[in-house]
Amino acid sequence: GDSVTQTEGPVTVSESESLIINCTYSATSIAYPNLFWYVRYPGEGLQLLLKVITAGQKGSSRGFEATYNKETTSFHLQKASVQESDSAVYYCALGKGGNEKITFGAGTKLTIKP
Amino acid sequence: GGIITQTPKFLIGQEGQKLTLKCQQNFNHDTMYWYRQDSGKGLRLIYYSITENDLQKGDLSEGYDASREKKSSFSLTVTSAQKNEMAVFLCASSIWGASAETLYFGSGTRLTVL
Repeated sequence: GDSVTQTEGPVTVSESESLIINCTYSATSIAYPNLFWYVRYPGEGLQLLLKVITAGQKGSSRGFEATYNKETTSFHLQKASVQESDSAVYYCALGKGGNEKITFGAGTKLTIKP
Repeated sequence: GGIITQTPKFLIGQEGQKLTLKCQQNFNHDTMYWYRQDSGKGLRLIYYSITENDLQKGDLSEGYDASREKKSSFSLTVTSAQKNEMAVFLCASSIWGASAETLYFGSGTRLTVL
């Protein structure tokens, strides 16, 4: 079946440092799935951070970026300089279009030290 | 904007009990989902529904029933709660297929079985 593997947390980074959360995927019956990063901030519901549906393209939101790399089947989340408000749980996910379900990774809990 | 409301927020049950979780959305979305999240694991799909009175099984449907009598509501029943079971159940909705569109999540129902 489909699977998503991401950096095992928890991850702690100091404010203004750079961040990368790794994500690799495996999808059956489709060469190029749609890829997503979802985030859950403390006390809030899970919400979409960014999505990329075309291989080779980059998505960005709130200073985060992720590039869809079909060669390495990866979709790593990066930020050049993190802020305390970025503390959250981040989930990488893949989808296959239409009414197919989305498959989520286990989540990475990120804590930013002031 | 819209909102997804899950009730109750906390649910405590006894072993063998039948328990029902409810979800309402006012986005007028066609597709609704129930996911289960266990500590340290990704979200796993239990059931989804692409329209009123439609039900589709996910990876984790055994032990659960679902009902979509109205477009705006989607309920999930744990048919026989398992002792020491603890998980968060997340309801979500999307316009048509989640994969290309955004999934909107509720804040979750936390289940504890004594």
